[in-house]
Amino acid sequence: EAQVTQNPRYLITVTGKKLTVTCSQNMNHEYMSWYRQDPGLGLRQIYYSMNVEVTDKGDVPEGYKVSRKEKRNFPLILESPSPNQTSLYFCASSFFGAGDQETQYFGPGTRLLVL
Amino acid sequence: QQQVKQSPQSLIVQKGGISIINCAYENTAFDYFPWYQQFPGKGPALLIAIRPDVSEKKEGRFTISFNKSAKQFSLHIMDSQPGDSATYFCAASRYNFNKFYFGSGTKLNVKP
Repeated sequence: EAQVTQNPRYLITVTGKKLTVTCSQNMNHEYMSWYRQDPGLGLRQIYYSMNVEVTDKGDVPEGYKVSRKEKRNFPLILESPSPNQTSLYFCASSFFGAGDQETQYFGPGTRLLVL
Repeated sequence: QQQVKQSPQSLIVQKGGISIINCAYENTAFDYFPWYQQFPGKGPALLIAIRPDVSEKKEGRFTISFNKSAKQFSLHIMDSQPGDSATYFCAASRYNFNKFYFGSGTKLNVKP
């Protein structure tokens, strides 16, 4: 079964305490991405990765880091979380082929509260 | 500056009616326009997508209409059902599918 898993699903932390949200996919997709979802703002892309060791900034990368050392994993790192990073985070894994051959799967989301 | 503008914010439609959600964009370099469906507590799911070489794409009850000159695209849900009640997002991306820009979402409520 095609799957994107995220951990943890829920996290409460305090300002400045480093945290990592893991994301893993089992579809051998090259493209992976992180988004945050906030009410009234839709989803905003944080970082994306076109392949192993290839990452680039999305629309709102400030305060976040990512790494892509293996194809299946794409962790999101908050080195010093702040309250404005309280949000719902989604990881996505995608395949974009020729014609109409595209598939995208989103993870179940990680709800983060930074106090 | 929002790259993709979506309207309406919320929509109430009677069962069997047509739901229409609109999006507009500015960047003419965008060449991939997907729509996503999201149920409460779940991640978004790709519903249907269009590229600018066609003006319409249909999959079942879902149709995307694309107007390149107006830089607008819309999602039509025919014969809307209560099970279609969800939040819908449009998005746009450039070639090679690098950055994605999403609309702010439309909460659809289909009344039985």
